[in-house]
Amino acid sequence: GIQVEQSPPDLILQEGANSTLRCNFSDSVNNLQWFHQNPWGQLINLFYIPSGTKQNGRLSATTVATERYSLLYISSSQTTDSGVYFCAVFMNNNAGNMLTFGGGTRLMVKP
Amino acid sequence: ETGVTQSPTHLIKTRGQQVTLRCSSQSGHNTVSWYQQALGQGPQFIFQYYREEENGRGNFPPRFSGLQFPNYSSELNVNALELDDSALYLCASSFGGSPLHFGNGTRLTVT
Repeated sequence: GIQVEQSPPDLILQEGANSTLRCNFSDSVNNLQWFHQNPWGQLINLFYIPSGTKQNGRLSATTVATERYSLLYISSSQTTDSGVYFCAVFMNNNAGNMLTFGGGTRLMVKP
Repeated sequence: ETGVTQSPTHLIKTRGQQVTLRCSSQSGHNTVSWYQQALGQGPQFIFQYYREEENGRGNFPPRFSGLQFPNYSSELNVNALELDDSALYLCASSFGGSPLHFGNGTRLTVT
């Protein structure tokens, strides 16, 4: 099956710093989502981005499907950005419309 | 717009018992999928339901089963619980090719 790898696995930032999270995937995909999982376990949609660039406030994402990677940019980080960031690729195959998740990037933003 | 809701939020069961988890999909969504998230890992796809039928399944044994009802709500049933079934169980709903929206999850502990 498809492999999804995220880097770095762990990241500690000082409040106000910028960061880039990376997601590599091993095969062509129909779509890609970025999620933020808060300490209570809730998975929050950030971006639904098969290709190109999208921005939402301090966050932006870029997917280069032909090169099989996506990047999530966090600017001017805040303590509320802490949590785990997952990318998940979306494939329509014999297993249905399933998302395959990466292992996540655990982000801690210190005040 | 009502989001995805799951119940219960927490559950403790004994090895060998059976458990039923419930999920109400977001209004307008007709597809429900279930994911298992072990501690420190990304969610893994269990199965998906569309029009009350399972139309995709991940690498989980038959003791994991489900139902979808005419109002698109869903249940996940796990028989003969094992210690390794302890995890956060996430339900997601979608419509067509829309992004998946996740509920807050049910945290199951098997002792």
